[in-house]
Amino acid sequence: NAGVTQTPKFQVLKTGQSMTLQCAQDMNHNSMYWYRQDPGMGLRLIYYSASEGTTDKGEVPNGYNVSRLNKREFSLRLESAAPSQTSVYFCASSESVGYTFGSGTRLTVV
Amino acid sequence: GQQLNQSPQSMFIQEGEDVSMNCTSSSIFNTWLWYKQDPGEGPVLLIALYKAGELTSNGRLTAQFGITRKDSFLNISASIPSDVGIYFCAGRNYGGSQGNLIFGKGTKLSVKP
Repeated sequence: NAGVTQTPKFQVLKTGQSMTLQCAQDMNHNSMYWYRQDPGMGLRLIYYSASEGTTDKGEVPNGYNVSRLNKREFSLRLESAAPSQTSVYFCASSESVGYTFGSGTRLTVV
Repeated sequence: GQQLNQSPQSMFIQEGEDVSMNCTSSSIFNTWLWYKQDPGEGPVLLIALYKAGELTSNGRLTAQFGITRKDSFLNISASIPSDVGIYFCAGRNYGGSQGNLIFGKGTKLSVKP
């Protein structure tokens, strides 16, 4: 009953460092998503993947890249982290209507 | 792009009180969803609504899909301390450019000091 698993849960980066946030789902869902959550801003879509082999930009894609490695896994990469990317990142997956979210990665860029 | 206006932004509750929040949009949605986020966790789906006028309950929670398809309401009756958290509305329009969920900015429920 894992659902959507995100790693790591917490991360501190220095400005300019790179890192990859990992996400895996075990529900055989076709669609996967990456969101960031900032105070007062709600959930903003960074990138999504409607199915294995496809990815598309969301509302706030700048500074990020994604890879849909297979049906289960969808990773988010920050090539050169900036303080503006300090946020909580959520991965989600869906098959029909509702999304299932992971528990988030809290990222701080100093 | 499409936006949802969710209100209130925050509210304080006292145990036993009823709580109401709503979401409005300038666009029509085919589906409305309500999520709750506990501190340190991801949002969890509470209620899904599929038809205009639909009224659906989940325990003490009741949500309605507005007749105009541009709004939705969530009511919590007889609130308890574990109701605190952030509640998000989300709408989906399969005819939209992405067909993805559009989220409101959330209503934060806290306990009255």
